[in-house]
Amino acid sequence: QQQVKQSPQSLIVQKGGIPIINCAYENTAFDYFPWYQQFPGKGPALLIAIRPDVSEKKEGRFTISFNKSAKQFSLHIMDSQPGDSATYFCAASMISNTGKLIFGQGTTLQVKP
Amino acid sequence: NAGVMQNPRHLVRRRGQEARLRCSPMKGHSHVYWYRQLPEEGLKFMVYLQKENIIDESGMPKERFSAEFPKEGPSILRIQQVVRGDSAAYFCASSQTSNTEAFFGQGTRLTVV
Repeated sequence: QQQVKQSPQSLIVQKGGIPIINCAYENTAFDYFPWYQQFPGKGPALLIAIRPDVSEKKEGRFTISFNKSAKQFSLHIMDSQPGDSATYFCAASMISNTGKLIFGQGTTLQVKP
Repeated sequence: NAGVMQNPRHLVRRRGQEARLRCSPMKGHSHVYWYRQLPEEGLKFMVYLQKENIIDESGMPKERFSAEFPKEGPSILRIQQVVRGDSAAYFCASSQTSNTEAFFGQGTRLTVV
């Protein structure tokens, strides 16, 4: 019940494409859903986060869509660039304890020039 | 404002030795979280500490692993009698309060030979 399932495991798109990464969770007590970006040899960096009271949130080229009834959320990267090539992790936690995160398995994204 | 500082960045230990990993949280942050990342996997929560207190150690292996966050100085993750399976990247995160976003450090890559 504590799992967060992420797909796909890897993704290749052309520059300008819109990669979509999906996550599903089981624990309905989760109410904080962040996405992290990680470059090789670096720590995860927070990209964007959403709460269940909204269905969509945009920050720059990154958009989270959230479906509470399906217990799913996804990350869309608009106008993707080669510099977006990285590993992306979705995560879930309770807003009362945002540091205790359950992470998905990660998606390695490659954006080709 | 410096980010979360972890040292060393790389650590090599022989089987049976002790590994000590240090984490200095961001200025003003009193909540510290440790995570472990095995190759090609997501991050797994290990322990949550506040100054001088362990709040949640549900992800810590029962033996050989311990963590502390003293009143003065960095948080320490200690692994005694390391084994090859302990080889991983260990990340520390900090937050200002329990319900604000957590920021990750660059990690310590532990290799057990």
